[in-house]
Amino acid sequence: QSALTQPASVSGSPGQSITISCTGTSSDIGTHNYVSWYQQHPGKAPKLIIYNVSYRPSGFSSRFSGSKSGNTASLTISGLQAEDEADYYCSSYTGFSPQWVFGGGTKLTVV
Amino acid sequence: QLQLQESGPGLVKPSETLSLTCTVSGDSISSSSYYWGWFRQPPGKGLEWIGNIFYSGSTYYNPSLKTRLTISVDTSNNQFSLKLSSVTAADTSVYFCSRARLQYLEWGIWGQGTMVTVSS
Repeated sequence: QSALTQPASVSGSPGQSITISCTGTSSDIGTHNYVSWYQQHPGKAPKLIIYNVSYRPSGFSSRFSGSKSGNTASLTISGLQAEDEADYYCSSYTGFSPQWVFGGGTKLTVV
Repeated sequence: QLQLQESGPGLVKPSETLSLTCTVSGDSISSSSYYWGWFRQPPGKGLEWIGNIFYSGSTYYNPSLKTRLTISVDTSNNQFSLKLSSVTAADTSVYFCSRARLQYLEWGIWGQGTMVTVSS
């Protein structure tokens, strides 16, 4: 069982927007802004898409945005494209052991 | 451009020690700005943080693996390594190495990953 809770799957049509939630506790997401999101295509390494709750790595698409409220972080993807179909993982630094925790992952299907 | 590359045996026998190395190119592992970490992903499952190390040698381990785990750094060869002892089939995974900036504690650069199977 993962420390952070994500929906197992979400789906959307091209052009639509979807939001993936990531629920933790007051010891991780609720305390720190060190929340990150990763995109992983099959057979590939994870790719950082959001860090520090809402920051995007340089050059990464503005269609991806992050936010946080209380113990829950969210990833929103707008203008869905076929290449967005992937697994998405949230992660939070905790400051104690274990230092980093992950969600179980959400499979995004673009139908 | 920074690159990380995992290397090591793809097959390990039960009860033996799994050893992997991550070679860093394009930057110095001796920088005081980064953590260097290991992660794994069992087939069809999610990501798990294994542990990480600072260039000085300070280590942070997942408590679920702590008794079997050693992470070390070799600054002269710009590498860091993972040793996991007494492996079982449950340790079969793709293993990734990565780098995090201390300022943001995000794992921004990843190696391509290496599959390790534990089997006799």
